[in-house]
Amino acid sequence: DIQMTQSPSSLSASVGDRVTITCQASQDISKYLNWYQQKPGKAPKLLIYDASTLETGVPARFSGSGSGSDFTFTISSLQPEDIATYYCQQYDDLPYTFGQGTKLEIK
Amino acid sequence: QVQLQESGPGLVKPSQTLSLTCTVSGGSISSGTYYWSWIRQPAGKGLEWIGRIYTSGSTNYNPSLKSRVTISVDTSKNQFSLKLTSVTAADTAVYYCARGLWIAAIYDAFDIWGQGTMVTVSS
Repeated sequence: DIQMTQSPSSLSASVGDRVTITCQASQDISKYLNWYQQKPGKAPKLLIYDASTLETGVPARFSGSGSGSDFTFTISSLQPEDIATYYCQQYDDLPYTFGQGTKLEIK
Repeated sequence: QVQLQESGPGLVKPSQTLSLTCTVSGGSISSGTYYWSWIRQPAGKGLEWIGRIYTSGSTNYNPSLKSRVTISVDTSKNQFSLKLTSVTAADTAVYYCARGLWIAAIYDAFDIWGQGTMVTVSS
């Protein structure tokens, strides 16, 4: 299985801050990476696919980059509604695997 | 718009079989280049992909669960189902059904999710 490692596991930031989360794959996955947002008690929501393409309707403050084994997810200006846990997920090979998640809190 | 809804028992005894159904509404389960997946999440933990089915009946399972999992589809009812045998406390989790959309070299993601259903394995 391809292992996905996110860092940090948790993050506290202020409204308006730029927030960055990293995701590392255990092998080269090209650009085959998605990012999801999960709010407490809710199902995950797709934000970014293909490492850097914003899903329709997702605010432009969210962005993704990277290829190969190293990826970055960024919120350019943190908003209160962005409080959630964020997961990366690879689709280069089965089984699909997710990172362990990054819990984002407001400082 | 398409919506997914999980249903099934919230409590299953150890060694028994967990059975869940996902009902697709707002669209046909057979339309488009979709596959239909089950994903689970133990309390306070991350997401684990269980497996998927295409409406052709073709399936893929997570090797960690493959010996215990069966996913099936009933296109006439617009539903797909999960069976997990010989459950233990480690199978206690929120179970999500999700639609996967695949477009070659462009897109392969879970774009629509059910709300999730909590299943507890306990005697």
